[in-house]
Amino acid sequence: DAGVIQSPRHEVTEMGQEVTLRCKPISGHNSLFWYRQTMMRGLELLIYFNNNVPIDDSGMPEDRFSAKMPNASFSTLKIQPSEPRDSAVYFCATPASTGELFFGEGSRLTVL
Amino acid sequence: DQQVKQNSPSLSVQEGRISILNCDYTNSMFDYFLWYKKYPAEGPTFLISISSIKDKNEDGRFTVFLNKSAKHLSLHIVPSQPGDSAVYFCAAGSDYKLSFGAGTTVTVRA
Repeated sequence: DAGVIQSPRHEVTEMGQEVTLRCKPISGHNSLFWYRQTMMRGLELLIYFNNNVPIDDSGMPEDRFSAKMPNASFSTLKIQPSEPRDSAVYFCATPASTGELFFGEGSRLTVL
Repeated sequence: DQQVKQNSPSLSVQEGRISILNCDYTNSMFDYFLWYKKYPAEGPTFLISISSIKDKNEDGRFTVFLNKSAKHLSLHIVPSQPGDSAVYFCAAGSDYKLSFGAGTTVTVRA
């Protein structure tokens, strides 16, 4: 299994532009998490899906952020419009049955 | 509100010596605890875990200690090796949700 696959690995964009980050979870894992890593706050949970349904989006910072999971093998995190303070590394993760998370390699976003 | 805190942003240790990383949490509902290791440009990888019914779990050079009354856990790495240089995240969870600390950067000196 290739693990959790994220794209793009790096994204540089200008303030106000739309950003779409993509995640392909491990096949057969029914849950998916989006996390954001910053220097100040470490890893923060943004949203959690179970069986493609958003269960907890309390970590989504504001309405500019949205996430979808149209099927079990794909999820997107969208920021529109993007702002410089959104610059961070965004991780997608899926859980093992024992509770630990498998993370993708992350998408590093820079908003100028 | 940070429910999991790693108060030391960095740690430098000589190769062969022990590395001790500390983590405090505030939520008494957390019932499992994990440590993750992260190299630059990679995602965090699971290292070791402990459930709230235990106070120690050992896996090779890595040992995690849990003190529930103090809401404190620690990770011991002995002996430390150059390949252990990385960022270490402490995480605590209940149900589906994991809360992470801000991380501690460990540098192992030759």
